[in-house]
Amino acid sequence: GNSVTQMEGPVTLSEEAFLTINCTYTATGYPSLFWYVQYPGEGLQLLLKATKADDKGSNKGFEATYRKETTSFHLEKGSVQVSDSAVYFCALSTYTGANSKLTFGKGITLSVRP
Amino acid sequence: GAVVSQHPSRVICKSGTSVKIECRSLDFQATTMFWYRQFPKQSLMLMATSNEGSKATYEQGVEKDKFLINHASLTLSTLTVTSAHPEDSSFYICSARRSGTGIYYEQFFGPGTRLTVL
Repeated sequence: GNSVTQMEGPVTLSEEAFLTINCTYTATGYPSLFWYVQYPGEGLQLLLKATKADDKGSNKGFEATYRKETTSFHLEKGSVQVSDSAVYFCALSTYTGANSKLTFGKGITLSVRP
Repeated sequence: GAVVSQHPSRVICKSGTSVKIECRSLDFQATTMFWYRQFPKQSLMLMATSNEGSKATYEQGVEKDKFLINHASLTLSTLTVTSAHPEDSSFYICSARRSGTGIYYEQFFGPGTRLTVL
């Protein structure tokens, strides 16, 4: 079956620090990979995605590269801001279409100090 | 655009009662809606997929008679937890997929409902 493993949290960083959040997956077939972010009191929002190997998803300064050889999709940002404090979920879907379903990792809480 | 709301945001009920949670897509039509359950420090677990006008498809291990799902319109799905017990206490999250848009059908998530059963 499909599964997503995220590094244990929480993570606390100072503003402008470099961020890496690890994510690895197991899947049947060829998954699409996603990062979702959940800000306090809000629903999950799609942060970025990659649909095939070697694709790089990017948004709001965050990047993640689909690495098929290591089955990974690590999230990075060069300089975090206080406003990036949120819960981050890695997810995959093995079918991009009307019947696709998302499999989520446990999520990791990021706190950024001023 | 693409806002999903849930109501209520928080509910406390007595054991044995039923609780209804609403999920609405506010500015788009959603043929498909999903219901997830999230335990503390755990990932979101898909409970069921509901399609407008048809029966919901439940994931393995989810009791369909306990978690009743109705998707009567393109903007509203409801989850009713029947005869709730303390072990049903959890964070319930819905998502909605915009009808017929592109190759990747993005899900838009509601803010969740915290259910506490005493």
